[in-house]
Amino acid sequence: NAGVMQNPRHLVRRRGQEARLRCSPMKGHSHVYWYRQLPEEGLKFMVYLQKENIIDESGMPKERFSAEFPKEGPSILRIQQVVRGDSAAYFCASSPGLGTEAFFGQGTRLTVV
Amino acid sequence: DQQVKQNSPSLSVQEGRISILNCDYTNSMFDYFLWYKKYPAEGPTFLISISSIKDKNEDGRFTVFLNKSAKHLSLHIVPSQPGDSAVYFCAAPNRDDKIIFGKGTRLHILP
Repeated sequence: NAGVMQNPRHLVRRRGQEARLRCSPMKGHSHVYWYRQLPEEGLKFMVYLQKENIIDESGMPKERFSAEFPKEGPSILRIQQVVRGDSAAYFCASSPGLGTEAFFGQGTRLTVV
Repeated sequence: DQQVKQNSPSLSVQEGRISILNCDYTNSMFDYFLWYKKYPAEGPTFLISISSIKDKNEDGRFTVFLNKSAKHLSLHIVPSQPGDSAVYFCAAPNRDDKIIFGKGTRLHILP
């Protein structure tokens, strides 16, 4: 049973470009979470999705950021017109829900140059 | 409003001694608590959990204690080993299954 898969592991984008981060949850998991870790900071919640639904996006910046978890395929975190401040490690986690633990992917390290 | 608080950003412990990491929470509706361990450049890995119906859960060198009246939990690692040096996050899922994390405590195990 493969774990949570995130790709790419490293992504370099120039200012103004778009970044797409992918997350394939563990088999049987229908809940996906995205977190961001800035240098020297903890894990900041961004968005919580279930299949085809955004449950809580209170941690997402209002502009340029969006997330989806389609019926088929991975969850996508999309950042449009990236700026230097978007440089961070983005972690995805999945769980089967019901208040259980979530399992994390290895993260995508985004660098905006 | 920070619902899960880890007030010690870092902790240094001698190898072989006990490491105690603390966590406080404000939401009395939390009924399940999680500890994660994170190495640099890797994703957090689940370490141990505890249900609110228990006050202690033990797994090898790791024990988590829960004091519901004080809204406090702690992770004990004994004996501490060099590989335990990492950042430890306390977390709890809320009623909507959103997992709330503390800011983490960086544990340094000294030789």
